Amino acid sequence: EAGVAQSPRYKIIEKRQSVAFWCNPISGHATLYWYQQILGQGPKLLIQFQNNGVVDDSQLPKDRFSAERLKGVDSTLKIQPAKLEDSAVYLCASSLVTGGAAGELFFGEGSRLTVL
Amino acid sequence: AQSVTQPDIHITVSEGASLELRCNYSYGATPYLFWYVQSPGQGLQLLLKYFSGDTLVQGIKGFEAEFKRSQSSFNLRKPSVHWSDAAEYFCATNNYGQNFVFGPGTRLSVLP
Repeated sequence: EAGVAQSPRYKIIEKRQSVAFWCNPISGHATLYWYQQILGQGPKLLIQFQNNGVVDDSQLPKDRFSAERLKGVDSTLKIQPAKLEDSAVYLCASSLVTGGAAGELFFGEGSRLTVL
Repeated sequence: AQSVTQPDIHITVSEGASLELRCNYSYGATPYLFWYVQSPGQGLQLLLKYFSGDTLVQGIKGFEAEFKRSQSSFNLRKPSVHWSDAAEYFCATNNYGQNFVFGPGTRLSVLP
């Protein structure tokens, strides 16, 4: 079974530029998450999708971050314009159901963003 | 709001020694609890999970964890550490139907 795919693995940009990350979850997984992991910290949820609807985006900085999940499969996370403090690893995860006992998260390898 | 603390930022053990990583959670009801491991440059991999029942949970790679309601703890243990266990370990909780909350992580170094 293929795992969660993310691209690109690494991205270096200058502040005020834009960047986009792509995620393809495990086939059949209804729930998709984007996490931000700053160096030395645990992952922090940015946005959660159930199929193609947003369940929780309360911690997404909506003035600069946007995300979509068209057709309930792939997802794209965009940052525009980027700030220095956006330097982090962006992790995509998926799960078969939302929360609950079956809510084990499966993570991709992450996209490391460096903002200069 | 639920939260997870991991008191140890960095732990160093010798190969073959036993290991215990601490995790405390803050939530009124019995939460769902997880331990994840992250090797350098990799995503997080699930080691084990606790939902209910037996408070001692077995996981992959020889790890186990014990849920202690009285102490609000879910400590991870391994009787004999291997060099390949060097990684970052995250404790997490998921109140049913809510989002995962991760602890800050404990970095494990293994001495030969």
